[in-house]
Amino acid sequence: LAKTTQPISMDSYEGQEVNITCSHNNIATNDYITWYQQFPSQGPRFIIQGYKTKVTNEVASLFIPADRKSSTLSLPRVSLSDTAVYYCLVGEVQLGAAGNKLTFGGGTRVLVKP
Amino acid sequence: GAVVSQHPSRVICKSGTSVKIECRSLDFQATTMFWYRQFPKQSLMLMATSNEGSKATYEQGVEKDKFLINHASLTLSTLTVTSAHPEDSSFYICSAPRPPKGATWNTEAFFGQGTRLTVV
Repeated sequence: LAKTTQPISMDSYEGQEVNITCSHNNIATNDYITWYQQFPSQGPRFIIQGYKTKVTNEVASLFIPADRKSSTLSLPRVSLSDTAVYYCLVGEVQLGAAGNKLTFGGGTRVLVKP
Repeated sequence: GAVVSQHPSRVICKSGTSVKIECRSLDFQATTMFWYRQFPKQSLMLMATSNEGSKATYEQGVEKDKFLINHASLTLSTLTVTSAHPEDSSFYICSAPRPPKGATWNTEAFFGQGTRLTVV
């Protein structure tokens, strides 16, 4: 499973765009990149998933360069409620099959200030 | 709405007793579920992979006899912390990958709400 490296923490202000970059130099051909958000005392919540180029949904965008050795989660116009820990995970999309499992790295603690 | 339900959300037990935590997939069948524990200010640590109809696969350093896992049906996995001690106090989280839907071919992992275990 490709190891991921993220900044430990980031501060931002309401209304700003927050970009979190994750390094995954050993990503394999079959690996997808998934980002989760976790609030205190809650389970992680799926944000976005991608394989290459750019993916956008109603809450975030995910930018993946051609070499796929990194990815950037972009949160547009953050609010106080976006204060959370964000995890970047890399692994086989067919979880559970052939022993594929979901392991977490350190995550990035994002603090949104008023 | 939640697609993976975990119960209880909070439990306090006496040292030496056992505690059972349930994880249910609500609208899909999960042949595999994952169990994690999380200490304050730390990331999630994978404890074991629960496999329906067969033995769980434990991560290195996790005691099988301490953390009993049963995955008796396609929608339910249980984690029993046996003979709990204060050092077992933690936040336990389960996850179930949902099979691909429609045109997608990748699974998506859903997480339970977590269980805060306090052993006194």
